Amino acid sequence: EDKVVQSPLSLVVHEGDTVTLNCSYEVTNFRSLLWYKQEKKAPTFLFMLTSSGIEKKSGRLSSILDKKELFSILNITATQTGDSAIYLCAVNLWDNAGNMLTFGGGTRLMVKP
Amino acid sequence: DGGITQSPKYLFRKEGQNVTLSCEQNLNHDAMYWYRQDPGQGLRLIYYSQIVNDFQKGDIAEGYSVSREKKESFPLTVTSAQKNPTAFYLCASSPRFSGDIQYFGAGTRLSVL
Repeated sequence: EDKVVQSPLSLVVHEGDTVTLNCSYEVTNFRSLLWYKQEKKAPTFLFMLTSSGIEKKSGRLSSILDKKELFSILNITATQTGDSAIYLCAVNLWDNAGNMLTFGGGTRLMVKP
Repeated sequence: DGGITQSPKYLFRKEGQNVTLSCEQNLNHDAMYWYRQDPGQGLRLIYYSQIVNDFQKGDIAEGYSVSREKKESFPLTVTSAQKNPTAFYLCASSPRFSGDIQYFGAGTRLSVL
């Protein structure tokens, strides 16, 4: 059974801290890994990773994939209260069904002033 | 503005009642999806549709039904057979079924009276 596991489940930090969120997966026919940020309602797309070792970066957020060890990390530097959200990791598989995403349980991040 | 519109934002269901959640997109996307999100859990796929007049069951389709009569619309009906319907429901779309990034609506929170 395909599985995506995120850790930690929740995290509380103070503004200015750096955080690392983890996503590990056990799937067949890996195609890509996606990160989403969910503040109150709609998850918004952050990154899509397909190749190992290539960092994707957007402002204070960055992410990297390790296809050998089957995990990805999402780093947020100099955290701000606006970074408080649930961060979702999802894996896309190559299979006959096409664009199926398997989601992890999410990491709830709270950034205190 | 292009996007995915879900309505209503909040919905209450009485015992034995069917309720329908609306999802409309003006992104000209071929594929649409319905997910259920429970507290502390990731998103689970209910139904998806690759093209008009075609849809397939996801992992937790029991107690739900859908239709796809128009490209821009993918309504979800929560039937009385769904014994635990209280959850947050998210609709998503992607340009093609083989496209990786899914874009989400703001969700509908369904509660049982």
